[in-house]
Amino acid sequence: EVHLVESGGGLVQPGGSLTVSCAASGFTVSDSTIHWVRQAAGKGLEWVGQIRSKSNNYATAFGASVKGRFSISRDDSRDTAYLQMNSLKTEDTAVYYCSRRVPGIGGLDYWGPGTLVTVSS
Amino acid sequence: QSALTQPASVSGSPGQSITISCTGTSSDVGAYNYVSWYQHHPGKAPKLVIYEVTHRPSGVSNRFSGFKSGNTASLTISGLQAEDEADYYCLSYTTSVTNIFGGGTKLTVL
Repeated sequence: EVHLVESGGGLVQPGGSLTVSCAASGFTVSDSTIHWVRQAAGKGLEWVGQIRSKSNNYATAFGASVKGRFSISRDDSRDTAYLQMNSLKTEDTAVYYCSRRVPGIGGLDYWGPGTLVTVSS
Repeated sequence: QSALTQPASVSGSPGQSITISCTGTSSDVGAYNYVSWYQHHPGKAPKLVIYEVTHRPSGVSNRFSGFKSGNTASLTISGLQAEDEADYYCLSYTTSVTNIFGGGTKLTVL
């Protein structure tokens, strides 16, 4: 059974850094693109970024609001992806979800339960 | 880049049909057939209900259907049921090699 689970959320001060992880199981992680999506309280879903597979050179892409501050990496040997967040702002406070996209399905078909990141002094 | 445009809310009675629109530009919705739709109940992970404009994932009810014309995609839910009450979001791939969500639509089943 496919599972994605985020971890590493918590409280961080403005200007600080935090890395959240996405542990995957039940499928061939190395073939998939991992996406990060966030939702601030009372707001809609916002696409944060993605990392493609090794066959696509681990290419990354980011939404405008986080580009230059966030990075994504993956360790397929550990079936884990990481979202590194730097220069955090209060407006980055949100629940962060990881999800997957696999070849043949042009959508995000499995999601983790999310992890809360709070940026506050 | 601004979010794709969705109505803030729609409503319908059990058994009726509703349609949610998702309007973008020729750089996103109009550029590719990579529009997907997600059902999101508060406090839970979003669920994929339509991908690549018209395709339903395995296990999703055939009451859900999708369509696209030009820069506007739409999701139709027929035979409304109480459990359909949720927030719905569209997501589109863009010519900038990124993705963008719609602002979300709250569906109320009366």
